[in-house]
Amino acid sequence: EDQVTQSPEALRLQEGESSSLNCSYTVSGLRGLFWYRQDPGKGPEFLFTLYSAGEEKEKERLKATLTKKESFLHITAPKPEDSATYLCAVQAAMDSSYKLIFGSGTRLLVRP
Amino acid sequence: GAGVSQSPSNKVTEKGKDVELRCDPISGHTALYWYRQSLGQGLEFLIYFQGNSAPDKSGLPSDRFSAERTGGSVSTLTIQRTQQEDSAVYLCASRSLDRVNEQFFGPGTRLTVL
Repeated sequence: EDQVTQSPEALRLQEGESSSLNCSYTVSGLRGLFWYRQDPGKGPEFLFTLYSAGEEKEKERLKATLTKKESFLHITAPKPEDSATYLCAVQAAMDSSYKLIFGSGTRLLVRP
Repeated sequence: GAGVSQSPSNKVTEKGKDVELRCDPISGHTALYWYRQSLGQGLEFLIYFQGNSAPDKSGLPSDRFSAERTGGSVSTLTIQRTQQEDSAVYLCASRSLDRVNEQFFGPGTRLTVL
């Protein structure tokens, strides 16, 4: 069964304190791994897609990396506005609907 | 341009009543998805529409749930005889035919069943 597990469930950081969020996955052939940001009361907002092990992508203070079993979202010198829930999802290679299989997310709180 | 819109933003209903949730996808997007997000849980796939093809209904949790998409645009998710466990945020997403890795989400409808 295709599955995504995220850790930790919640993370509190001081402004400027760098850390990483983890996303472990099992999927019958990976088409892509996705990171989304979700603010309270809003829908998920796309951040990155990673396709193959070793790939890395960056956007401002965020960097996503991918191995054959997991992905990390590194947050460098976070600011309070980075506070949100970060969702990881995978797409299975053989799925013709291209649906996303999500983890339960990591709630990040960055204190000033 | 306009993003995905959903209505209502909040819906409170009594157990046993039927509800309809609406999704307006991004103009020109042929693919449309419904997901459900229960408290503390990740998003759970419900149903997928692509153009005039038969929908992928594999994620619908029971026969009380149904969805339709009229004219290849607006979609309605209907839940009959609602139960308390149906309380969740229902999210709609759309994408274009050729960009299979870019799903754009609406703000969701928060459903509360009393």
